[in-house]
Amino acid sequence: AQTVTQSQPEMSVQEAETVTLSCTYDTSESDYYLFWYKQPPSRQMILVIRQEAYKQQNATENRFSVNFQKAAKSFSLKISDSQLGDAAMYFCAPRGGSNYKLTFGKGTLLTVNP
Amino acid sequence: GAGVSQSPRYKVAKRGQDVALRCDPISGHVSLFWYQQALGQGPEFLTYFQNEAQLDKSGLPSDRFFAERPEGSVSTLKIQRTQQEDSAVYLCASSPRQGPSEKLFFGSGTQLSVL
Repeated sequence: AQTVTQSQPEMSVQEAETVTLSCTYDTSESDYYLFWYKQPPSRQMILVIRQEAYKQQNATENRFSVNFQKAAKSFSLKISDSQLGDAAMYFCAPRGGSNYKLTFGKGTLLTVNP
Repeated sequence: GAGVSQSPRYKVAKRGQDVALRCDPISGHVSLFWYQQALGQGPEFLTYFQNEAQLDKSGLPSDRFFAERPEGSVSTLKIQRTQQEDSAVYLCASSPRQGPSEKLFFGSGTQLSVL
């Protein structure tokens, strides 16, 4: 079983600045992966970044990076040089187990101010 | 098509009516998931297919919910005798292979409103 806590229902950031979205999770799986997905008003979930739990090195994708603390079961997302197009709901989601389903948190609504 | 396609985009149903929601995954994708997303919440798992086999239906909330993928491509989620609590966005996702590292490709969902 997996649970996810996103403690920030809403966050805002000024354009070009940096923001960090927090996520903690719990899982009984030994082999799992962690994902951040973004959901704009179009409703389509878009993969932002993926982290293998067995890797100590934090994943990076252009302006997006994570701070993965395995012992603390923490997986935060940092967005650098925020752009207006980054405004969306962001969901943290671990994935593992026999059916490999994603378990989503409740999400953080990110607003980017011009 | 280039992505996962879901239809209809919006569905309004009267309480007690049956509805069918369709998902066209990306061609050749083995894994297919259905999720239910209530307003202001994260998506919750409903069911999982590997090709035509339904391997996990533990998330289906009641026996009014039924999903199928008979030929291992298109999938249909059917809800019988709809209730107001069924109002939600229903998301479909597919991936080319099974496995926890695989990226899921999502459709834009069907927003179901039960009056």
